[in-house]
Amino acid sequence: SYKLTQPPSVSVSPGQTATITCSGNELGDKYACWYQQQPGQSPVLVIYQDSKRPSGIPERFSGSNSGNTATLTISGTQAMDEADYYCQAWDYNTAVFGGGTKLTVL
Amino acid sequence: QLQLQTSGPGLVKPSETLSLTCIVSGGSISSANYYWGWIRQPPGRGLEWIGNIYYSGSTYYNRSLESRVTISIDMSKNQFSLQLSSVTAADTAVYYCASPYYYGSGSMGPFDPWGQGTLVTVSS
Repeated sequence: SYKLTQPPSVSVSPGQTATITCSGNELGDKYACWYQQQPGQSPVLVIYQDSKRPSGIPERFSGSNSGNTATLTISGTQAMDEADYYCQAWDYNTAVFGGGTKLTVL
Repeated sequence: QLQLQTSGPGLVKPSETLSLTCIVSGGSISSANYYWGWIRQPPGRGLEWIGNIYYSGSTYYNRSLESRVTISIDMSKNQFSLQLSSVTAADTAVYYCASPYYYGSGSMGPFDPWGQGTLVTVSS
């Protein structure tokens, strides 16, 4: 079955750029999306179709996808961005989630 | 704006069947633009897709759960439901309903929106 791999944790200083990767076989041939999950809350879509931002998502969130890796980039990271982030793609009609990355802003 | 709300018991006994319902508001469950899905998250762990259903009744399930899962749709009530049979403690999780957009021609979009989630504990 298809698998997506994320680093368990990423740390970033406030104001710096955070980069979270998601790896999967030929992932660049699929659309990747990213969800942010704050503690005790439902996930929220922050990037879809590799690089598009839903309405209401700050411009500091951006995404890319090429080869075997999709990347979520948060520019000028703020304390409020500290959360778990999950990538997701479709393998035919099956939804696949990455294991999640805990972003720490310190 | 589409909104989803999960309802169902928070406690289920081992070997019994977990049943949850997701009520859709702000849109029609018979829309051709959406699938309707279930995702779960065990405490402290990541997201696991359970399955989706289309208004036509077509279903897709996670192969690891397929033998125990049934997702159904009730257009008259604008809701869809999840049943998971023969539950064990490993099925303890927050269960979310969410709607992946359907672009057509087999192309699926992201899960948006998500319901609020319901913690289901399997315990005697």
